[in-house]
Amino acid sequence: NAGVTQTPKFQVLKTGQSMTLQCAQDMNHEYMSWYRQDPGMGLRLIHYSVGAGITDQGEVPNGYNVSRSTTEDFPLRLLSAAPSQTSVYFCASSFTGGGGYTFGSGTRLTVV
Amino acid sequence: AQSVTQPDIHITVSEGASLELRCNYSYGATPYLFWYVQSPGQGLQLLLKYFSGDTLVQGIKGFEAEFKRSQSSFNLRKPSVHWSDAAEYFCAVGGGATNKLIFGTGTLLAVQP
Repeated sequence: NAGVTQTPKFQVLKTGQSMTLQCAQDMNHEYMSWYRQDPGMGLRLIHYSVGAGITDQGEVPNGYNVSRSTTEDFPLRLLSAAPSQTSVYFCASSFTGGGGYTFGSGTRLTVV
Repeated sequence: AQSVTQPDIHITVSEGASLELRCNYSYGATPYLFWYVQSPGQGLQLLLKYFSGDTLVQGIKGFEAEFKRSQSSFNLRKPSVHWSDAAEYFCAVGGGATNKLIFGTGTLLAVQP
């Protein structure tokens, strides 16, 4: 099993560009989440999903969109990139509430 | 609302010394509690978890944590720290129907010889 796969690993965007961060898991996990990690701020929840077709906002959703058309995939879309979105983004998935989340290796995004 | 507080931003311990990292949480029901570790440039690895039963839980790499409901705490401990334990440690709280997981701001652990 590959676990949680995130692509790309690195990306540089210009202000105003859009892009999609990809996240796929092969563990048949119902729960998936996106986080951003910034120095001194820990991991902040952007959006999460409790199953295919169901998503909701987390702590910092502005500027990001998600969809969950399949159990396996949970892409994160940046609509119009801003320098404030420079961060490391992590995708995670979980089978049950008590099992904890499995994390991908992250995407380092720089917006110039 | 869910929240997690890790009051120590940075801790330095000597190799072989004991370690305790503090974590306080706010959650409206019985929480699921987790500790994750992140080595530089890496993703997050689950150290241990609590969701019911014995309040003292054992994890990987010799770590343990104790859930104290009266203090809303879930502190991480290790009796003897190794140089390879230098990393950032995150406490997280989750649960309920949404299984939303909220993290603290992390504690950076340095280990000196």
